[in-house]
Amino acid sequence: EADIYQTPRYLVIGTGKKITLECSQTMGHDKMYWYQQDPGMELHLIHYSYGVNSTEKGDLSSESTVSRIRTEHFPLTLESARPSHTSQYLCASSNSPYEQYFGPGTRLTVT
Amino acid sequence: AQSVTQPDIHITVSEGASLELRCNYSYGATPYLFWYVQSPGQGLQLLLKYFSGDTLVQGIKGFEAEFKRSQSSFNLRKPSVHWSDAAEYFCAVGSGEYGNKLVFGAGTILRVKS
Repeated sequence: EADIYQTPRYLVIGTGKKITLECSQTMGHDKMYWYQQDPGMELHLIHYSYGVNSTEKGDLSSESTVSRIRTEHFPLTLESARPSHTSQYLCASSNSPYEQYFGPGTRLTVT
Repeated sequence: AQSVTQPDIHITVSEGASLELRCNYSYGATPYLFWYVQSPGQGLQLLLKYFSGDTLVQGIKGFEAEFKRSQSSFNLRKPSVHWSDAAEYFCAVGSGEYGNKLVFGAGTILRVKS
């Protein structure tokens, strides 16, 4: 079944650790996105990619980085986690210009 | 810049009652508009979308929305709410080329009383 996956679903980690949030989709979509969502707040686009070897920063400044080496995979990395990075991170993909499919999210807590 | 306003942070309705969630947008051209639903601990699921044409759009789970250009609104409605509809609802407007990027409102949390 075509889907979009995120791992881990929950992560609690100490300050200064390097972390990678995984996002994979089996729909063959060219476009992929990372959003950050704080409780009670709107989603903010932090990174997007229109295809392999294409990455762009979104509207919200983020200390994270992304890579797109394979169509189906769009990982997000934080080199040194801080408490301010505590949030929910949602990955999405799209093949049509208009419709994005979202993964279940990763809830990150940095202590 | 594009923006989306959802004036109601929380709404509580009784099961079986009708529902209307408000959404106002700011966008210079013809907008691409979306409603998403998010259940606790889950990602977002697309309920419906408007691109052009008929201003009354039907979606999944019995939801519909009406685009009103004069009011810059795209309100979501459902004639009879079920307890399983309790969730958070997000309105979004597409920006960028072909609406590839989405700008979201802050969301409305729907509670359903039995």
